[in-house]
Amino acid sequence: GQSLEQPSEVTAVEGAIVQINCTYQTSGFYGLSWYQQHDGGAPTFLSYNALDGLEETGRFSSFLSRSDSYGYLLLQELQMKDSASYFCAVRDRLLDNYGQNFVFGPGTRLSVLP
Amino acid sequence: GAGVSQSPSNKVTEKGKDVELRCDPISGHTALYWYRQSLGQGLEFLIYFQGNSAPDKSGLPSDRFSAERTGGSVSTLTIQRTQQEDSAVYLCASSLVTSGSFYEQYFGPGTRLTVT
Repeated sequence: GQSLEQPSEVTAVEGAIVQINCTYQTSGFYGLSWYQQHDGGAPTFLSYNALDGLEETGRFSSFLSRSDSYGYLLLQELQMKDSASYFCAVRDRLLDNYGQNFVFGPGTRLSVLP
Repeated sequence: GAGVSQSPSNKVTEKGKDVELRCDPISGHTALYWYRQSLGQGLEFLIYFQGNSAPDKSGLPSDRFSAERTGGSVSTLTIQRTQQEDSAVYLCASSLVTSGSFYEQYFGPGTRLTVT
């Protein structure tokens, strides 16, 4: 089957650095992406990794290790507005008939304290 | 136009009634996705359209759920004989279809469905 694991909650203070981990088990693997969702809002795309290594986008970075089936989202210089839920998602096996199957993790709720 | 739009934003219906949810993707996005999110939970993938075609419908929770897309644009998700367990926020997303773009999905604001 397919499963993704993330910590349910993380708390940090403004200005700090926080890392949100994601481990996955899928029948195939075509990439790992991260989304942010504020309470009552829609998910918004943050980053994606198809290859091993670190991708940096401003204060946010995402890392992938395919051999370890593991990735993480790194948030630097935390701000109050970063308080939200963060989801990792994988594009699972590419179906024979060109279907797609995306699996989202359960989400990590980040609380940034003053 | 702007982003992905969905209607209605809220829908309250009685158990056993049919409901239809609408999604209008970003112009030019040929890939369209439907997800379901229960309160405090992650996103459950329902179905994907490439153009007007949905190659695989196995993600739909039951045969009461169906979806269609016409003209490569607007999509509707229909739930027949609604049950209380169908209560959730139904999210629609769209993307381009280059290999990397599948991961960059743009989500609509969702339709909050409540079955009483």
